[in-house]
Amino acid sequence: QITLKESGPTLVKPTQTLTLTCTFSGFSLSTSGVGVGWIRQPPGKALEWLALIYWDDDKRYSPSLKSRLTITKDTSKNQVVLTMTNMDPVDTATYYCAHRPQDIVVVEPAAFDIWGQGTMVTVSS
Amino acid sequence: DIQMTQSPSSLSASVGDRVTITCRASQGISNYLAWFQQKPGKAPKSLIYAASSLQSGVPSKFSGSGSGTDFTLTISSLQPEDFATYYCQQYNSYPWTFGQGTKVEIK
Repeated sequence: QITLKESGPTLVKPTQTLTLTCTFSGFSLSTSGVGVGWIRQPPGKALEWLALIYWDDDKRYSPSLKSRLTITKDTSKNQVVLTMTNMDPVDTATYYCAHRPQDIVVVEPAAFDIWGQGTMVTVSS
Repeated sequence: DIQMTQSPSSLSASVGDRVTITCRASQGISNYLAWFQQKPGKAPKSLIYAASSLQSGVPSKFSGSGSGTDFTLTISSLQPEDFATYYCQQYNSYPWTFGQGTKVEIK
């Protein structure tokens, strides 16, 4: 059974750096094709994709946030860490991590299948 | 970035109704399209991947279709537990992008 859980501060001040950790179980991030991504959702708004890291350490970022984001993995700890610098009140949101499985069938590319419960982050002085 | 546009933004339907939600991509994405269901205060739940493949454990009343730029999610017979917000997402190219959501409410 795959599970993911986000952890980190619930409140950060403007200009501070946010560090979020996704701790997972039930899969290995060293398995070919597997990835873990981060997605956020401001209150009452739509989902926004932030970043994704693959088993081979390939990293992808949202261009609009790329200068502020860093995603890393610790395969031995089953963790993925997202850091976001220079936090602003508009970054107030629930942050989710999600599992991207390996493709089983080439013509059926895999998408996020299991999500963490999310963690709410408020940016305020 | 590829823009994903869902329609309608919201709809009211009755239990037992057949419901269809549309998602349009601003450029072709082949079948790299996923659908998610989100209930208030909860994380999104994956329903469909690769435009028409049902995630494990998802009931067959949910179905997806389409390829290229136009996609649909259909709920064959709406049940009380299906009232939620539905999102499409393309993963053909980075950045992956979501639609704005479709809220399905009780009539």
